Amino acid sequence: KAGVTQTPRYLIKTRGQQVTLSCSPISGHRSVSWYQQTPGQGLQFLFEYFSETQRNKGNFPGRFSGRQFSNSRSEMNVSTLELGDSALYLCASSLNQGDYGYTFGSGTRLTVV
Amino acid sequence: AQKVTQAQTEISVVEKEDVTLDCVYETRDTTYYLFWYKQPPSGELVFLIRRNSFDEQNEISGRYSWNFQKSTSSFNFTITASQVVDSAVYFCALSGLGGGGSRLTFGEGTQLTVNP
Repeated sequence: KAGVTQTPRYLIKTRGQQVTLSCSPISGHRSVSWYQQTPGQGLQFLFEYFSETQRNKGNFPGRFSGRQFSNSRSEMNVSTLELGDSALYLCASSLNQGDYGYTFGSGTRLTVV
Repeated sequence: AQKVTQAQTEISVVEKEDVTLDCVYETRDTTYYLFWYKQPPSGELVFLIRRNSFDEQNEISGRYSWNFQKSTSSFNFTITASQVVDSAVYFCALSGLGGGGSRLTFGEGTQLTVNP
C-alpha cells in the first residue's frame, strides 16, 4: 500500500511569506502528526490531528498552524516566515490516536531566504 | 518532562564490525513506549522497533538486537556484522501516556558511518 505522501518535496520561500505543506496519510490511518527537524533543535513535535481536531500541540508560536480534512489528509501552514523556519518538516500517520504505530513520510524541505 | 539522550554523536566502523548505539531516557510516566528509527539521506524516518515499558524482554531481529533495561533507563541498539547500507542517522524516541499525549520525544541522533 502507498506510504505517507508529503508535498512538495522541496520549497524555497522568502522571509515574510507564508507556506502550506501537505500530508496524505496511509489509507485508513486517521491520525496525523507533524514534526520539525533542524540541525540545531533536532526533531521537535509540532501538532497532532485526529478526526479533524487538533489533539496535541508542541511548543511553537502561533505562526504554525494546521488542519485535517475529512479524508484524514492534513496541511500545515506557517505564516510570516522567518529564516529560522528553514527545516525538514516530517509528517507521520497512525491508525488511531495513541496507537504508536507511526509511519513517516519523506518530508518537505523548506528553505527560507 | 520527557528527555532522550544519545551521547554518541557520530560512530564510524568498518564493515562487519558490531556496533552498539546508546540511548538513555527520562520520563515520569509509568507507561511509555520506546522506539528506534533510522533516517537515511533521503530523509524519511524508517521505523525499526517499538517497546512498551512493561516488556523488558530483549529482542533479536536478523542483524539487529535491542537491550531494554528499565533499571538504568536505557534502550540500546546493536547492529551485528554491520554493512555499508546501515549508514544513516539513528534516532531513539520516547512516547508516554501522560500529559504529553502520543507525541514522540526524540534524541539528538547518532550518525553511523559504515566504511567498506
